[in-house]
Amino acid sequence: GENVEQHPSTLSVQEGDSAVIKCTYSDSASNYFPWYKQELGKRPQLIIDIRSNVGEKKDQRIAVTLNKTAKHFSLHITETQPEDSAVYFCASAYQAGTALIFGKGTTLSVSS
Amino acid sequence: DGGITQSPKYLFRKEGQNVTLSCEQNLNHDAMYWYRQDPGQGLRLIYYSQIVNDFQKGDIAEGYSVSREKKESFPLTVTSAQKNPTAFYLCASSVEVNTEAFFGQGTRLTVV
Repeated sequence: GENVEQHPSTLSVQEGDSAVIKCTYSDSASNYFPWYKQELGKRPQLIIDIRSNVGEKKDQRIAVTLNKTAKHFSLHITETQPEDSAVYFCASAYQAGTALIFGKGTTLSVSS
Repeated sequence: DGGITQSPKYLFRKEGQNVTLSCEQNLNHDAMYWYRQDPGQGLRLIYYSQIVNDFQKGDIAEGYSVSREKKESFPLTVTSAQKNPTAFYLCASSVEVNTEAFFGQGTRLTVV
């Protein structure tokens, strides 16, 4: 089955810096790659996603890039703010219809 | 008010007892999922269902059972065969697999 590895497990940055989280997946048939943000005590919520026919997607300060050849995708957050502090999860899914498989998460801390 | 609802928020059970966690959605989603969240382990898939009366095992299905008799409901039973049931359980739903998943607020189960 699919395996998703996520790095780093923790990331500390200063406010205004950029943060990058990277995930690798094992199955070349995977074609949907979402990123979720989970604030302390809350449910995970989708912040951005990308499909395998696209190499990059941006939404204001957040971007996701996908390298299908290398089977990895990354989340980029620019101009980080304290409210970006949370746990971020990457995930992947097959086109054939399986559930999302998640990475183990990255705890991002943004200090002001 | 549309959404996905899990109940109860906190649940305590004695070792050896089966317990059922509720998950209801009024989003008219076909797909529903159960994930287990432990510190440092990310979200691990227990079971998922693509359609009523159908469900598939995830990576950690042993000791759990589900049913999908109605589109809006996907209860999870934690049986006495689950060796380490104390955890945070998240239910989610999506229009179909391979699309954005919406999460409930979770149930924290403690077995003593």
